[in-house]
Amino acid sequence: DTEVTQTPKHLVMGMTNKKSLKCEQHMGHRAMYWYKQKAKKPPELMFVYSYEKLSINESVPSRFSPECPNSSLLNLHLHALQPEDSALYLCASSPRTGVSNYGYTFGSGTRLTVV
Amino acid sequence: TQLLEQSPQFLSIQEGENLTVYCNSSSVFSSLQWYRQEPGEGPVLLVTVVTGGEVKKLKRLTFQFGDARKDSSLHITAAQPGDTGLYLCAGVRETSGSRLTFGEGTQLTVNP
Repeated sequence: DTEVTQTPKHLVMGMTNKKSLKCEQHMGHRAMYWYKQKAKKPPELMFVYSYEKLSINESVPSRFSPECPNSSLLNLHLHALQPEDSALYLCASSPRTGVSNYGYTFGSGTRLTVV
Repeated sequence: TQLLEQSPQFLSIQEGENLTVYCNSSSVFSSLQWYRQEPGEGPVLLVTVVTGGEVKKLKRLTFQFGDARKDSSLHITAAQPGDTGLYLCAGVRETSGSRLTFGEGTQLTVNP
């Protein structure tokens, strides 16, 4: 299995809703990432997990809450989002952090619309 | 100021033509990666270059890492419509640990 699987593919939520994005990989990768991508822009790093521990939070608002329950799963919990949070949310994984010659494997993303 | 400057931003060419995309920075990178992204999908890794002066070939695609590890280029020979997509360079700076930072991207359209 060489894929990163993200669910759901599309999500529409109200500003008072609570929802979660899920990401799964079975490649034995120990580094997992959340990126946010707005239309016509490159992906922007949000969070980095290394060996199931949060190692980087790029000053992301607390309405985004990441969780790594085990080495294969990564969640992003969403609460009280704003319309400007609408974007493509991408999950990625790599064998480990701190070794720069590993490429990342990205999922297909969750297209989030906040209404 | 963008850490990685990609050029051109947009490129529209005819099938069979050659093209080069550039990725430049004033910072030194431990590695540079090239990705291709199609609409509604995540980026797909094409190549990782880690050694200054390194050249890698992937069929009609040739990737080069600058000697000083501050820049990279992607050359496509005899472009085909299937090459259409958003090409992104991304790098890990020597001082940034695990942060992979993306350039703004080059939107390539190859017309039949």
